[in-house]
Amino acid sequence: QSALTQPASVSGSPGQSITISCTGTSGDVGGYNYVSWYQQHPGKAPKLMIYDVNNRPSGVSNRFSGSKSGNTASLTISGLQAEDEADYYCISYTTSAARVFGGGTKLTVL
Amino acid sequence: QVQLVESGGGVVQPGRSLRLSCAASGFMFSNYIMHWVRQAPGKGLEWLAVLSTDGSHKFYADSVKGRFTISRDNSKNTAYLQMDSLRVEDTAVYYCARAPPYGSGDYWGQGTLVTVSS
Repeated sequence: QSALTQPASVSGSPGQSITISCTGTSGDVGGYNYVSWYQQHPGKAPKLMIYDVNNRPSGVSNRFSGSKSGNTASLTISGLQAEDEADYYCISYTTSAARVFGGGTKLTVL
Repeated sequence: QVQLVESGGGVVQPGRSLRLSCAASGFMFSNYIMHWVRQAPGKGLEWLAVLSTDGSHKFYADSVKGRFTISRDNSKNTAYLQMDSLRVEDTAVYYCARAPPYGSGDYWGQGTLVTVSS
């Protein structure tokens, strides 16, 4: 159960787009379409932003989108806004039915 | 509305046990699998365990396998995490989350802090 690999930090200016990658193996990200993304502001519980690779829960802005290619999933945020500044985590279902998180990515809106 | 409320956290000495509870309301509890996730101070999220809707299937992270036990009581709309042989490194905020099958959590509680210290 090795953690998925995410960049430690990304940044962008308001209005720009950014992409956060989440790399795993064929035993997790690459093997299943059960990748989710969470946004977490300091001191708050995580909030689901994307589930099953590319689905948005009701109420989540369409500026957030997800995709997957091979063993790497990606979260794209378009039209960056100040309130998007937060930590982002990916998580995947695995072969053993366990789940595994990525290490998290700190997004800074410049 | 969907609500998950964790309780049972606190300060405990290394080697001791603690049981966390996760009280659910606002949805059909028995239709959802339940997860426990933790976050050590200043660190990332760590998935711990998942339990099937009827409690018959349980899966754990290697870091807690053999020490932590996940369970549920569908008649009480409550999930539990029994934590034994606690270590200093188990200090964290512990969250419960509900999820559809194969999912990782669409609603989360606000967390309960567990501090393991002598």
